[in-house]
Order: sequence, then structure tokens, then C-alpha cells
Amino acid sequence: DVHLVESGGGLVQPGRSLRLSCLGSGFTFGDYLMSWVRQAPGKGLEWVGFIRSKTYGGATEIATSVKGRFAISRDDSQNIVHLQMNSLKTEDTAVYYCTRAYSDGFYSADLGSWGQGTLVTVSS
Amino acid sequence: EIVLTQSPGTLSLSPGERATLSCRASQTIIRNYLAWHQQKPGQAPRLLIFGATTRATDIPDRFSGSGSGTDFTLTISALEPEDFAVYYCQQYGNSPRTFGQGTKVEIK
Repeated sequence: DVHLVESGGGLVQPGRSLRLSCLGSGFTFGDYLMSWVRQAPGKGLEWVGFIRSKTYGGATEIATSVKGRFAISRDDSQNIVHLQMNSLKTEDTAVYYCTRAYSDGFYSADLGSWGQGTLVTVSS
Repeated sequence: EIVLTQSPGTLSLSPGERATLSCRASQTIIRNYLAWHQQKPGQAPRLLIFGATTRATDIPDRFSGSGSGTDFTLTISALEPEDFAVYYCQQYGNSPRTFGQGTKVEIK
């Protein structure tokens, strides 16, 4: 079974940084595109970004709303994907979900399996 | 950026009834790369449908997706108690990926 566990959330002051991690198990981690999606309290889902597998160059794409502040990286030897969040704003407060693509192909649906999420609260 | 508009915002139905949810895109979605996700309160979302019409693994066949281009539909043929939830459409044909605002299916 695919298992994704996010960690690193918590309370952080505006302007500070936080790094989220997502540990994957039950699959060959390096073969899959990994994404982050967030959900502000009581709101809908917002795509944050993804990182492709090394097979497809490991390219990343980041949402315009967080571009320049957030970055995604992966360590396939540890089965981990990270979301580095800098210059945090109060509007970044959300549950952050890690997801795995449905299959390992280039044209796979991005958001196949979801973790349970980790809450990030940005407040002074 | 592709804007996805879901309707209705809320659907009030009884168990056993048919649910029809709509998702309209502001421009053609490449290769019909449209997915539907279900989210129950306090839970992570779950992928139901991808490629507009293909059910994900272990998704019951009462869930079906249809449509192409800019107009897509999720149909639940006969609502079970566990189907009352929020449903989001999402496109993955273009970047940035985008979601609709969600349709809540509630018990009437």
C-alpha cells in the first residue's frame, strides 16, 4: 500500500521559514512525480507545486502565488520530498498535503495518492 | 491559468438518488486531463476519476465521469451514505494545475 506521511508543520511567525517533509513507502519512490497541495481552514484545495522523477529530469513547477518563496526538492535515497517555505505570510496558513502521482508515466494524473496532511499556522 | 467552475455549489439529495456534478473549464483541457477528488470532513482528499472517465483503483462503479474539452460531469448513480462529501474537479493538462471550488453533496 502507498503510504505518505508529512511532517514539519507547526506554528511559525510571519517572515520566518519552515521545511515540510513527506516520507513515502510502499512504492518505488524515485519513479514518481510528487506534489504538494494546501488547504486553508474552511477553504478549497490549492495546488502548490510538483517535482518530477529523475527519469523526467527532476523538474519542478511552483504555483504563481508562492513562486520565489517556496521550493520543492527530493531525496530519493531517503524516500523523502521536501517543501521549503520561506518568507511565510499569514495567508500561507493551511493544511499541506503531499501527494504521489497515480502512475509512473510522464502523463500520469498528478494527484493519485494523498497523505494525511500537516498543519502550518503562520501567526505572530 | 485554467479556471474551473463547479456547479452547483451545494447539492441536497437523499440516499439512493442520482447526483450530477458539473465542472466547466475556461479553456480546453489538454487530453481531457481532468480528475475528480472526494473529500470527507477531517480527511484527506481521495482520487476518484482521472482522464475525465477512468475510475481510480478501488473506486466503486457507481461513480462515473464524462465529458471532454471544457465541460465535464461526475455522476454518482445512487448515493450511498458514505458519498456525502465535497467533490473537487482538478485539471492536470496545463500548468499551473488548478482546482474547482468544490461541490458539497449533503443529505437532504
